[in-house]
Amino acid sequence: AQKVTQAQTEISVVEKEDVTLDCVYETRDTTYYLFWYKQPPSGELVFLIRRNSFDEQNEISGRYSWNFQKSTSSFNFTITASQVVDSAVYFCALSEAQAGTALIFGKGTTLSVSS
Amino acid sequence: DTGVSQDPRHKITKRGQNVTFRCDPISEHNRLYWYRQTLGQGPEFLTYFQNEAQLEKSRLLSDRFSAERPKGSFSTLEIQRTEQGDSAMYLCASSSTGDLGEQYFGPGTRLTVT
Repeated sequence: AQKVTQAQTEISVVEKEDVTLDCVYETRDTTYYLFWYKQPPSGELVFLIRRNSFDEQNEISGRYSWNFQKSTSSFNFTITASQVVDSAVYFCALSEAQAGTALIFGKGTTLSVSS
Repeated sequence: DTGVSQDPRHKITKRGQNVTFRCDPISEHNRLYWYRQTLGQGPEFLTYFQNEAQLEKSRLLSDRFSAERPKGSFSTLEIQRTEQGDSAMYLCASSSTGDLGEQYFGPGTRLTVT
């Protein structure tokens, strides 16, 4: 069965620190998609990134980077030089086989960045 | 605003009452999803439409829940005989077939059952 585990419930850092959010997934499919979403205090989920199971290249977007490792079934998210505006709940999610169907979310990691 | 919209944003109802929520997806999106999120948890999938066809339903969607998307545009989610356990945030998302699963979420409807 598919499952997403975000073992870190809460993380607190001081501005400018780097922080990594862990995500471990389980799936029997060979074709799947992984996602990260951000949910700021306002509540609306914001899409950050999508990765398919055939593309293990790491990705960098500004201060954000993602490390996808199939060997360990992990899709970790790093924020470099964190800022107060990064404070939010971050969710990792999995979609199996055919893109466009249900997202299976982890329980989320609450990131608090203080100044 | 061209994002996903949901109405109402908040709903307080008494146990046993029926409630209906509406979702308007991004206009060019043919896929629409409903999720439920309780405090401290990630969103849980409820159901999914492609155009007007309801293609997938979660076991979480009991027979008290029904969703429709009559003309393949907006969707409604109705909960009959609400229970306190139905209190949650109900999220709607939409995507297009070309987005490879990238779902865009609305602001949600927070339901409180007293």
